[in-house]
Amino acid sequence: IVMIQSPDSLAVSLGERATINCKSSQSLLSTSSSKNFLAWYQQKPGQPPKLLIYWASARESGVPDRVSGSGSGTDFTLTISSLQAEDVAVYYCQQYYNSPITFGQGTRLEIK
Amino acid sequence: QVHLVASGGGVVQPGTSLRLSCAASDFTFSDYSMHWVRQAPGKGLEWVAVISFDGSNEHYADSVRGRFTISRDNSKNTLYLQMNSLRTEDTAVYYCGRGTGSGSFLCNYWGQGTLVTVSS
Repeated sequence: IVMIQSPDSLAVSLGERATINCKSSQSLLSTSSSKNFLAWYQQKPGQPPKLLIYWASARESGVPDRVSGSGSGTDFTLTISSLQAEDVAVYYCQQYYNSPITFGQGTRLEIK
Repeated sequence: QVHLVASGGGVVQPGTSLRLSCAASDFTFSDYSMHWVRQAPGKGLEWVAVISFDGSNEHYADSVRGRFTISRDNSKNTLYLQMNSLRTEDTAVYYCGRGTGSGSFLCNYWGQGTLVTVSS
């Protein structure tokens, strides 16, 4: 399954909304569970990835509620509602619907 | 707090082998699937392999299948990645990660990585 993110990079002012899109080459929605096998990770320089969102919209423990995920099937969105300085990072979507597990190419988020 | 520490990286020549280890602590290692993912310098994340909680199931990325082998020793709380026939394109930081369940493809914790450099 090929994962394509857009845009490749994004500059947003502090306090403004940041939106990152992710499109999969086939549906990630399981008909048996009604769940989308889509996760979002954040990676800061020199650090391992950090899980933010799973099942397309479930927030991992400790992730601030300004971070949210949405979408279903093949189209997904990560939204940061009010950008903070600590949100500067590269964001990756990942499908875990089947093997091989695949990531999007990443979106670099910066402060404008 | 989950702790994962990868080790075993280094500089090796193309065609040679290397074994990475990942020491796990502060959780019941034998209850969880475990993953390897890698990141080439300046590039994005690439998933490498996953092994189920008991070692009975393994899955690999197409780019490493037949050359890399993931394994685990639950008595030692350690995950391994045996890398054979290394290529220059295998140069990357390798991270180990813990799945969310016994056979899960989703990873919710990643440790600090170990750098593998394949160069002549």
